[in-house]
Amino acid sequence: GAVVSQHPSRVICKSGTSVKIECRSLDFQATTMFWYRQFPKQSLMLMATSNEGSKATYEQGVEKDKFLINHASLTLSTLTVTSAHPEDSSFYICSAGTSGGARQYFGPGTRLTVT
Amino acid sequence: GENVEQHPSTLSVQEGDSAVIKCTYSDSASNYFPWYKQELGKRPQLIIDIRSNVGEKKDQRIAVTLNKTAKHFSLHITETQPEDSAVYFCAASTGNTGNQFYFGTGTSLTVIP
Repeated sequence: GAVVSQHPSRVICKSGTSVKIECRSLDFQATTMFWYRQFPKQSLMLMATSNEGSKATYEQGVEKDKFLINHASLTLSTLTVTSAHPEDSSFYICSAGTSGGARQYFGPGTRLTVT
Repeated sequence: GENVEQHPSTLSVQEGDSAVIKCTYSDSASNYFPWYKQELGKRPQLIIDIRSNVGEKKDQRIAVTLNKTAKHFSLHITETQPEDSAVYFCAASTGNTGNQFYFGTGTSLTVIP
């Protein structure tokens, strides 16, 4: 149990376009999901906390108008990278926790490459 | 806010030897400490976790110890195998659903056959 999926696994887009990444909790409901960014050989950097039915909470330095987060249901959160630039190229990972539990389960990640 | 430090950043051991990775945290309110293993290009996988009301937890070759007073916790892998080679991350949290994890900087473990 506690499976989190992400789609797509890899995406290549042109500079200036927008990309949407989906994060789904497959067998549990997640009122909170987290979005991370990870550069090569570095730790996970929390970008934002996504709460179902309300606005996301962004970490300092993360542009909320560039990284749009929507958490419309208890099983789905989306991250849209708007007007992507090559420096947005990275590995994006989501995580979610089950109700009443401390554990977080990670999605498989999305490798974004902006050309 | 919470600050988690992790050492060493890289670790090489001979197959069969033990590996130890250490983390310290700053916020005494943290009470949940998971360890994740991440292989290249893949998701972090939870390998063991511990709550602050427990001093040690073991699962086969993997164990975690926690010293609340000193605010540090460690991952111990015994009888290492080549498939243990990966990056390991520690984290700290207040342990409630929806509370963020504060991650360490990671340790790249290489087990030499």
